[in-house]
Amino acid sequence: DTAVSQTPKYLVTQMGNDKSIKCEQNLGHDTMYWYKQDSKKFLKIMFSYNNKELIINETVPNRFSPKSPDKAHLNLHINSLELGDSAVYFCASSQDWGTGELFFGEGSRLTVL
Amino acid sequence: ELKVEQNPLFLSMQEGKNYTIYCNYSTTSDRLYWYRQDPGKSLESLFVLLSNGAVKQEGRLMASLDTKARLSTLHITAAVHDLSATYFCAVGADLQGAQKLVFGQGTRLTINP
Repeated sequence: DTAVSQTPKYLVTQMGNDKSIKCEQNLGHDTMYWYKQDSKKFLKIMFSYNNKELIINETVPNRFSPKSPDKAHLNLHINSLELGDSAVYFCASSQDWGTGELFFGEGSRLTVL
Repeated sequence: ELKVEQNPLFLSMQEGKNYTIYCNYSTTSDRLYWYRQDPGKSLESLFVLLSNGAVKQEGRLMASLDTKARLSTLHITAAVHDLSATYFCAVGADLQGAQKLVFGQGTRLTINP
């Protein structure tokens, strides 16, 4: 069983479109995250949810909207896609009372043409 | 704002040699993590260091943490080709009452036969 799973793994779309990425974790963790990895491999946090509540919202354009229907799921919706949104988006989860270690999904590679 | 810097960013070495990757960070933290990423893959947790002086070893890799110097090292002993990957350190930081990990730029390690 995959601990943190993301869909889709690859996404190619045109500028201006709207797309969503879904994430699910079966680790029973309380906190979930979205990280963005750019073409230079730099990883930056975007959002974090704890038990369905948004707790971290870094400086991210309003076109990005996360949603957590329950603590095992965290989705990312992106409106009006731009070229600069092309990146790999990683979902991750962690346990509140643990070591703070993050467990990552396999990533979703978004290409905006 | 917490900044995490790795050195070197690129490392090409011969099999059988030893080398060290350095991770410096700018503000106080006692939580340091090392991850490995293979091309096109997810991030795999290698080490979790949670106190000053912590040292952990797994196979040919050894990680240590000096919180006073705000420095962690990842030492590679007698490198083998299978260790070729990008290695990230990440430092735990509190933001808006929640924890996040701030990542270094990554060190791309290539081990040549």
